[in-house]
Amino acid sequence: EPEVTQTPSHQVTQMGQEVILRCVPISNHLYFYWYRQILGQKVEFLVSFYNNEISEKSEIFDDQFSVERPDGSNFTLKIRSTKLEDSAMYFCASNGRRMNTEAFFGQGTRLTVV
Amino acid sequence: DQQVKQNSPSLSVQEGRISILNCDYTNSMFDYFLWYKKYPAEGPTFLISISSIKDKNEDGRFTVFLNKSAKHLSLHIVPSQPGDSAVYFCAASGRYGGSQGNLIFGKGTKLSVKP
Repeated sequence: EPEVTQTPSHQVTQMGQEVILRCVPISNHLYFYWYRQILGQKVEFLVSFYNNEISEKSEIFDDQFSVERPDGSNFTLKIRSTKLEDSAMYFCASNGRRMNTEAFFGQGTRLTVV
Repeated sequence: DQQVKQNSPSLSVQEGRISILNCDYTNSMFDYFLWYKKYPAEGPTFLISISSIKDKNEDGRFTVFLNKSAKHLSLHIVPSQPGDSAVYFCAASGRYGGSQGNLIFGKGTKLSVKP
């Protein structure tokens, strides 16, 4: 069964460093997303991406965040200068249709900023 | 601003009995609702969904009920099995205020099914 894969599963970084979280969405999907879940809190939408551009972003997704689809398979989330409060589980998701269908999630990357 | 609320952080049920997980929402523009299941150290797994034009959707042991007038939905699992023990997230989406259908999640309910 096709699945969304994310690497690494756990990333520890020092405050102020740049991190890149990687995702391989399901191959025939067209819409890609990043969500995050701070420990003990709800899963929150960060950004959606379609046709090689951001289609929507939340207030959380400020200038320190960026996304890219560098080739036909990878979808990355970059955090330029990490802060302690960026520590969270980051989930990548994809679906074949944007509206009113379920998104399929990866297993997540646990980012710890120290 | 909690647009999707799951007021019970936990629920414990005996194996074989019914589990009922509840979810309330505040935004009347939501038109699609989903339930996800999440095990520790894994991503959310889609379980079942319902469009706002329906009031019930069933898939095997899982049934979702939607009461639009009350802005309430529930997930019924019957019979409950120990493998159902997980955190269940309610999520909603809809086109409103520029949103393009991204998912708004509740905080989750941890279900424990005891043998």
